[in-house]
Amino acid sequence: DTAVSQTPKYLVTQMGNDKSIKCEQNLGHDTMYWYKQDSKKFLKIMFSYNNKELIINETVPNRFSPKSPDKAHLNLHINSLELGDSAVYFCASRGRHSGANVLTFGAGSRLTVL
Amino acid sequence: GESVGLHLPTLSVQEGDNSIINCAYSNSASDYFIWYKQESGKGPQFIIDIRSNMDKRQGQRVTVLLNKTVKHLSLQIAATQPGDSAVYFCAENNNDMRFGAGTRLTVKP
Repeated sequence: DTAVSQTPKYLVTQMGNDKSIKCEQNLGHDTMYWYKQDSKKFLKIMFSYNNKELIINETVPNRFSPKSPDKAHLNLHINSLELGDSAVYFCASRGRHSGANVLTFGAGSRLTVL
Repeated sequence: GESVGLHLPTLSVQEGDNSIINCAYSNSASDYFIWYKQESGKGPQFIIDIRSNMDKRQGQRVTVLLNKTVKHLSLQIAATQPGDSAVYFCAENNNDMRFGAGTRLTVKP
């Protein structure tokens, strides 16, 4: 069983379209995250939810809207896609490991906007 | 602001040599530091962490050194193997879970 699974793995779409990426974790964690990774591998935090409540909302265009129907799911919806949205998006959940907060990441969703 | 960053963006080593990946941080209140490894096409994976009251922690072929005086930590990989080729990130243990820029380690056969 995959601990953090996100779908789709690849997404190719045209500018102006709306798309969603889904994420589910079966680890029983309360906190989930969305990260954006650019071509230089820089991992930028976008959002974080704790038990369905938004706790981190970085400076992200409001075209990006996260939704958490329950604490095991955190979906990302993107409206009016732009070229600059092309990136790999990672979902993660946070759990304790020997006292530290450790993230478990999904395999990533590569979004290409044409 | 508080940040986590890396000195070297790329590192190339010969197979069998030791690798050292460095990281600078600015938040002296962090209680844990964590290293992640990201292989090509995958998400980052936890490797090892170190508590702020320690200056060294060893795992299997990896050692973390923490120098709180200069706010620096390093990840040492002994006898580097091709499977160690990846991007390595350090991160502070806080709610924000922010990452530094990462270092790409390439192992030459």
